[in-house]
Amino acid sequence: GQQVMQIPQYQHVQEGEDFTTYCNSSTTLSNIQWYKQRPGGHPVFLIQLVKSGEVKKQKRLTFQFGEAKKNSSLHITATQTTDVGTYFCAGTMDNYGQNFVFGPGTRLSVLP
Amino acid sequence: NAGVTQTPKFRVLKTGQSMTLLCAQDMNHEYMYWYRQDPGMGLRLIHYSVGEGTTAKGEVPDGYNVSRLKKQNFLLGLESAAPSQTSVYFCASSYSGGLNYGYTFGSGTRLTVV
Repeated sequence: GQQVMQIPQYQHVQEGEDFTTYCNSSTTLSNIQWYKQRPGGHPVFLIQLVKSGEVKKQKRLTFQFGEAKKNSSLHITATQTTDVGTYFCAGTMDNYGQNFVFGPGTRLSVLP
Repeated sequence: NAGVTQTPKFRVLKTGQSMTLLCAQDMNHEYMYWYRQDPGMGLRLIHYSVGEGTTAKGEVPDGYNVSRLKKQNFLLGLESAAPSQTSVYFCASSYSGGLNYGYTFGSGTRLTVV
């Protein structure tokens, strides 16, 4: 079945440093989404990528979908303590959604 | 809007006991999901529903049952709880199978089975 992997599992950075997490799928995806879960909280939808090579930005966050639509990345510039949490990617092969498979997540710690 | 509401927020069960987790959404979403989250395992889909009266198995359905008698509610049942079912359970709903707007998650139920 479809598998979604993320690396690294954990990342500790000093405040102000950049951070990148990578998401890889065993199959070609039609869509990929990113979520953030704060410690003790629930996942919150951040963004969806659909097109091959697509790049989207949200303030200090940059999301990219690979050309082959089998990988994606989330890059945070100049991390802040508010960026602490676990970042999940979720991918689907289904053009109608419904079956998004979540990766195991990357837990980010930001040291002040 | 309340979004997705889960009850209870915490529960401790003894092995063999049964319980029902309730999920309610007020966004008129067709799709609803139950996930469990364990350390290092991410979110694993237990069961899901694409509309009132319909349910389907996800990745880890064994030991759980679900019902969607009303569009706004999705119930998760544990008939005979086991320690392996200790986890945080999240309910989610979506408008169009999750496309464009993603899933809206509830705040979770932390279940401990002793």
